[in-house]
Amino acid sequence: AQTVTQSQPEMSVQEAETVTLSCTYDTSESDYYLFWYKQPPSRQMILVIRQEAYKQQNATENRFSVNFQKAAKSFSLKISDSQLGDAAMYFCAYRISITGNQFYFGTGTSLTVIP
Amino acid sequence: NAGVTQTPKFRILKIGQSMTLQCTQDMNHNYMYWYRQDPGMGLKLIYYSVGAGITDKGEVPNGYNVSRSTTEDFPLRLELAAPSQTSVYFCASRAGQINQPQHFGDGTRLSIL
Repeated sequence: AQTVTQSQPEMSVQEAETVTLSCTYDTSESDYYLFWYKQPPSRQMILVIRQEAYKQQNATENRFSVNFQKAAKSFSLKISDSQLGDAAMYFCAYRISITGNQFYFGTGTSLTVIP
Repeated sequence: NAGVTQTPKFRILKIGQSMTLQCTQDMNHNYMYWYRQDPGMGLKLIYYSVGAGITDKGEVPNGYNVSRSTTEDFPLRLELAAPSQTSVYFCASRAGQINQPQHFGDGTRLSIL
């Protein structure tokens, strides 16, 4: 079974500081995709960043970057220069690349940004 | 560009009632999904579809039915509403290319009383 674990139910960060959200996953597959989604109070699910497992280079999108450790099955999200608009629930998700019609989501981390 | 549109946004049902949650997308995506999100939890997959006429069960399909007669529409049907189905329901779609993420609708908050 595919499982995604986010061990931090809540995190907080001071505005302009850096925060890292953790995600681990369990899989026997070698080829897969990982995603971070943001869910603000509006409830929309917004893609933040994605990572292909075959790529060694960590993905980056502006202030968002990941630390992908394939051997450790770890996929953490780093938010630099945190802004008030970053406050949201963040979900880590996993999908098998070849046969993967299904996405598996973690339980989420609620991020508070302190002015 | 509307993306994924869900209706209604809110609904209250009585136990035993039936309803259909509507989902439509205008991106010509083959893949569509229905999730439920319970308070403090992540998303659980109910059903998904890889194209018109093809549907398959996800993790939590019991109590739900779906159909996919067109590429655009993927309605979710609750036949006999139960309190355990109180949740927020999300519809999503994605393109067929292998690295594509899902695009989500705004969700439907459903309460069964």
